[in-house]
Amino acid sequence: DAKTTQPNSMESNEEEPVHLPCNHSTISGTDYIHWYRQLPSQGPEYVIHGLTSNVNNRMASLAIAEDRKSSTLILHRATLRDAAVYYCILSNDMRFGAGTRLTVKP
Amino acid sequence: ETGVTQTPRHLVMGMTNKKSLKCEQHLGHNAMYWYKQSAKKPLELMFVYSLEERVENNSVPSRFSPECPNSSHLFLHLHTLQPEDSALYLCASSQDPAVRSSYNSPLHFGNGTRLTVT
Repeated sequence: DAKTTQPNSMESNEEEPVHLPCNHSTISGTDYIHWYRQLPSQGPEYVIHGLTSNVNNRMASLAIAEDRKSSTLILHRATLRDAAVYYCILSNDMRFGAGTRLTVKP
Repeated sequence: ETGVTQTPRHLVMGMTNKKSLKCEQHLGHNAMYWYKQSAKKPLELMFVYSLEERVENNSVPSRFSPECPNSSHLFLHLHTLQPEDSALYLCASSQDPAVRSSYNSPLHFGNGTRLTVT
């Protein structure tokens, strides 16, 4: 079983920020937190990853709790193309859970 | 172009057939993975190859046989499959996981082979 837990689904309005949470209470000191998303009929796509500090890239931001037992993927302005299943996984495990299905409403 | 190419995109096979899925990566990575994604189930990690050696086999039935002839190619040989093996089979690669605990390299996935077993 995956070592991460996420809500099954979330909804957002277009152009609004989205915060996608992930719990990983059994994370080890060497685990990186990876986020991926999967669009219909495609393989998962890398979004962002981090170890301890918050991370930003052109797709999203990753906020990591101080105790590293949870993290949040932040999409600053959701678009319709961001509708996908979002997964967080731990690097020493590489196992995926069910992820969060994000619906973006126009 | 994802950098990881899987062929064929779709495959229909009978339970007595033998077929192979192919994965090729053009990213210079040296680890490759097979995942299975069944309908309404999470991705399941099947096999991991690091530096062309199998380092993980997650209790996968022997009717699935992986092969990694070099760091750019990965195959999944299939024989006497069951209808419940119908799924999307995804290949992924990552960079330099020579030390198992240093898996900080992101996975790069192909778009998968949609397999239907009749």
